[in-house]
Amino acid sequence: QQQVKQSPQSLIVQKGGISIINCAYENTAFDYFPWYQQFPGKGPALLIAIRPDVSEKKEGRFTISFNKSAKQFSLHIMDSQPGDSATYFCAASVPTDKLIFGTGTRLQVFP
Amino acid sequence: KAGVTQTPRYLIKTRGQQVTLSCSPISGHRSVSWYQQTPGQGLQFLFEYFSETQRNKGNFPGRFSGRQFSNSRSEMNVSTLELGDSALYLCASSPQGRHEQYFGPGTRLTVT
Repeated sequence: QQQVKQSPQSLIVQKGGISIINCAYENTAFDYFPWYQQFPGKGPALLIAIRPDVSEKKEGRFTISFNKSAKQFSLHIMDSQPGDSATYFCAASVPTDKLIFGTGTRLQVFP
Repeated sequence: KAGVTQTPRYLIKTRGQQVTLSCSPISGHRSVSWYQQTPGQGLQFLFEYFSETQRNKGNFPGRFSGRQFSNSRSEMNVSTLELGDSALYLCASSPQGRHEQYFGPGTRLTVT
């Protein structure tokens, strides 16, 4: 029940396309859902986050869509660029508790 | 503001030895969490400290321990190193009362 399932494991997108990464959870007590971006040799960087009372949040080319009834959330990267090539992790947490991470998605954007 | 800093960045140790890793959180952040990242297990929570007290602990053996100092800097220690302890150890800090966690660059530990 503490798991966060992430898919796909890897994703190849052409420059200018839309990248979509999906996550699902079971624990309805989760109230915070962040996405992290990690480049090789670096720590994860907080990209965008959402709370369950909001169905969508957009920051620049990055959008989180949240479906509370389905217990799913997804990251959409619009107009994907080669510089977006990285590993993306979804995560979830309950108040004052640890982050539970998904298994990661390796995104490659080709010119 | 300066980000989370971790030292050392790279470390090579032999089985059976012990190691201490250090983390300095973002100024003003009092919560520090530690995670282990491996290709097989992904990102796994080790423990969290707040105001020098361990507030949360993951499912790791007692060989993994940590502490936090009054200036919020934190250290983690791994004793009797095993080959399977080879990983990227990440530290993250959070502002008080907030969910967001900001990660450092990590310490790459290799156990031979």
